[in-house]
Amino acid sequence: DAKTTQPPSMDCAEGRAANLPCNHSTISGNEYVYWYRQIHSQGPQYIIHGLKNNETNEMASLIITEDRKSSTLILPHATLRDTAVYYCIVKGSGGSNYKLTFGKGTLLTVNP
Amino acid sequence: DTGVSQNPRHKITKRGQNVTFRCDPISEHNRLYWYRQTLGQGPEFLTYFQNEAQLEKSRLLSDRFSAERPKGSFSTLEIQRTEQGDSAMYLCASSTDRWDQPQHFGDGTRLSIL
Repeated sequence: DAKTTQPPSMDCAEGRAANLPCNHSTISGNEYVYWYRQIHSQGPQYIIHGLKNNETNEMASLIITEDRKSSTLILPHATLRDTAVYYCIVKGSGGSNYKLTFGKGTLLTVNP
Repeated sequence: DTGVSQNPRHKITKRGQNVTFRCDPISEHNRLYWYRQTLGQGPEFLTYFQNEAQLEKSRLLSDRFSAERPKGSFSTLEIQRTEQGDSAMYLCASSTDRWDQPQHFGDGTRLSIL
């Protein structure tokens, strides 16, 4: 599976949009981009995933560049409860399609 | 959808003791996964089941670790002769058997070895 690169930390003001970037320049054609977040002492929470089209759900929007080498997770109106570590993961249909490979993610701190 | 349930949430034990954790997946999910997470790191894959069959095991899963999923429902993860290095959060996840569908995680069992 392709490797991802995320900034270690980001800050956002409460009520503003949080834009979390992820670089996955070696992504291959059948690999999806998944986003999870983990609030302290809880398990990872699935947020959203996509292949090449932009996706939106009740939690967030996922913007994938046309070349698919990077993506951005957008939390439109961040709240204090959105403070968490956000993981961007790429996974395809190949031999290791059963497992998620987590990096260190981005610690998003939402400030009042 | 009641989510993935893990018990106990916390376990404290002395080195050398055996421990067992339980995971109840989302009811319609055929796949069940175990991960381990140490402080400051992302979760690492340990093993997974397709129904009752254990199909893959990481090299992180030493011979002191054993996982079962009888009848393809709940799963247990047992650690024998625990060591200090086993202290971690043990996470369970489940999914359908479509490879592109997301895994959904429980809140884990935090194991502390005295």
